[in-house]
Amino acid sequence: GQQLNQSPQSMFIQEGEDVSMNCTSSSIFNTWLWYKQDPGEGPVLLIALYKAGELTSNGRLTAQFGITRKDSFLNISASIPSDVGIYFCAGYPRESDMRFGAGTRLTVKP
Amino acid sequence: GAGVSQSPRYKVAKRGRDVALRCDSISGHVTLYWYRQTLGQGSEVLTYSQSDAQRDKSGRPSGRFSAERPERSVSTLKIQRTEQGDSAVYLCASSLSPGGPTEAFFGQGTRLTVV
Repeated sequence: GQQLNQSPQSMFIQEGEDVSMNCTSSSIFNTWLWYKQDPGEGPVLLIALYKAGELTSNGRLTAQFGITRKDSFLNISASIPSDVGIYFCAGYPRESDMRFGAGTRLTVKP
Repeated sequence: GAGVSQSPRYKVAKRGRDVALRCDSISGHVTLYWYRQTLGQGSEVLTYSQSDAQRDKSGRPSGRFSAERPERSVSTLKIQRTEQGDSAVYLCASSLSPGGPTEAFFGQGTRLTVV
């Protein structure tokens, strides 16, 4: 099946720094989703994107649906310790067949 | 609660045995997914089903994995003849619309350890 390439695999940043991660696909996606997963928990939806070019914010988080429909990025501004976790991109290459990226593990140093 | 619930949270199985993992999805949600999540490899879709349980679509990795949906909001993932490589976290997710992609909501996962 279609794979999502998510990068970077991990990030170590200082509190207060901005973070950027992205996902690319070899095929066109209809929807991009960004999730955060804390240890021992399931992924929790952060942002959903439905249209090419769409830019959506959720507090300090901003995500964009790429114009080519083959990529998306997530930015976190002014990181705080509770931003620690694994961030996953997900998308639908076709109806009801959601795929995940491998995740970006974020560590925030106080 | 109104969220997706999975049970058990932890399961230890002897290699070669069959296991069954349960997911109670959100009432009214139509599409239900099962994923396998392993450290460093992300999440892999195993199977998903829409409202008609007969249209379960099995994905990777093999025919040892199957899902049943005895009720609209309940699914059971069955793993036959477990192998050590099956050790992973199994996530269930459900989404509302059958006609197009919408957000999926996840359970907390079942951590399976095959010994």
